[in-house]
Amino acid sequence: KAGVTQTPRYLIKTRGQQVTLSCSPISGHRSVSWYQQTPGQGLQFLFEYFSETQRNKGNFPGRFSGRQFSNSRSEMNVSTLELGDSALYLCASSLGSGTPGEQYFGPGTRLTVT
Amino acid sequence: GNSVTQMEGPVTLSEEAFLTINCTYTATGYPSLFWYVQYPGEGLQLLLKATKADDKGSNKGFEATYRKETTSFHLEKGSVQVSDSAVYFCALSDLTGNQFYFGTGTSLTVIP
Repeated sequence: KAGVTQTPRYLIKTRGQQVTLSCSPISGHRSVSWYQQTPGQGLQFLFEYFSETQRNKGNFPGRFSGRQFSNSRSEMNVSTLELGDSALYLCASSLGSGTPGEQYFGPGTRLTVT
Repeated sequence: GNSVTQMEGPVTLSEEAFLTINCTYTATGYPSLFWYVQYPGEGLQLLLKATKADDKGSNKGFEATYRKETTSFHLEKGSVQVSDSAVYFCALSDLTGNQFYFGTGTSLTVIP
């Protein structure tokens, strides 16, 4: 079974620009979660999508948004980039069917904002 | 609410030393508990899990026991190797399995 894939792996953007990151979950997984990882803040939960609906949301500003498509692939968008948005963005998928199970992570997208 | 607290790092050990990384949790009901490992430049990988009280998860020589009475899930390994150098995250999932809560991570360096 193929793992979680994220594209692109590396990205350099300028402050004020916007960016879209993509995540393809493991086949059969319907839940996709996004996390921001920084040295100072650790792993912070952004949001979770299930069946094209945002089901859970972390404490991030509205500049961070996401969506999920009918094939469970998900995108995350950050508008008006700030220097502090530089981070590793991790996507994780799970069955999400209501039975507790593990999340499987992708390799992440390293975003650098200059 | 749900939360995970884990031991601050970094931790530096000599090869073949005994490892313990402490993890305690706060949760409603009986969550599932996990340890994830992140090697440099990679995403997180599931190391082991336990889904009910007194369960012991184990993998690659690591083990952790779900202790309801102390709300803990400490990670242990009897003899660490240089290849175990990584960041370790304790996590729990809520009763629905829809949301996960992670600790801040503990960096482990094993020196030859």
